[in-house]
Amino acid sequence: GQSLEQPSEVTAVEGAIVQINCTYQTSGFYGLSWYQQHDGGAPTFLSYNALDGLEETGRFSSFLSRSDSYGYLLLQELQMKDSASYFCALNQGGKLIFGQGTELSVKP
Amino acid sequence: GAGVSQSPSNKVTEKGKDVELRCDPISGHTALYWYRQSLGQGLEFLIYFQGNSAPDKSGLPSDRFSAERTGGSVSTLTIQRTQQEDSAVYLCASSLTEGGGGEQFFGPGTRLTVL
Repeated sequence: GQSLEQPSEVTAVEGAIVQINCTYQTSGFYGLSWYQQHDGGAPTFLSYNALDGLEETGRFSSFLSRSDSYGYLLLQELQMKDSASYFCALNQGGKLIFGQGTELSVKP
Repeated sequence: GAGVSQSPSNKVTEKGKDVELRCDPISGHTALYWYRQSLGQGLEFLIYFQGNSAPDKSGLPSDRFSAERTGGSVSTLTIQRTQQEDSAVYLCASSLTEGGGGEQFFGPGTRLTVL
């Protein structure tokens, strides 16, 4: 089987940098995705790592290390609107296997 | 262009009844996925369709759940003899290709409540 672990909650201050970690166990996967979900909303795609290393998309970056079974999402210059749940997900040839999510609270 | 749409947005039903949930994917997207999300939880994969290939049904929790995709576009998820544990938000997603580079486009979901 496969499983992913993320912290359940993270709190940070507006303008700061926050890192959300994701560790996983799996027999195989194509890549690691990150999604954002605001309360009552649909998940929206943020970033994808097919290969080891860092992917940067504006204020968001994501990192993957297959040898360590580990990835993270880095959010810079935090804004109040970044308060949401963040999910890592393993891409297994189509279907996504999601972690339980990290609720990020951004304080002024 | 239009995103993924789902109907109904909310469905309240009685235990034992059958329900049908509908998903209209983004035009041109060949892959379509169903997930469900219980309150405060992550998304649980149910089933996905890719073109004319046989669907991957490995996530369906029981034989009460089934789905079809007609004409490579619209999909219907059917839950027979609903149980209270079926209460959740059912999310549909589509992607341009299988896997989609990890990017799937989600609809707003159908909130199912089984009384």
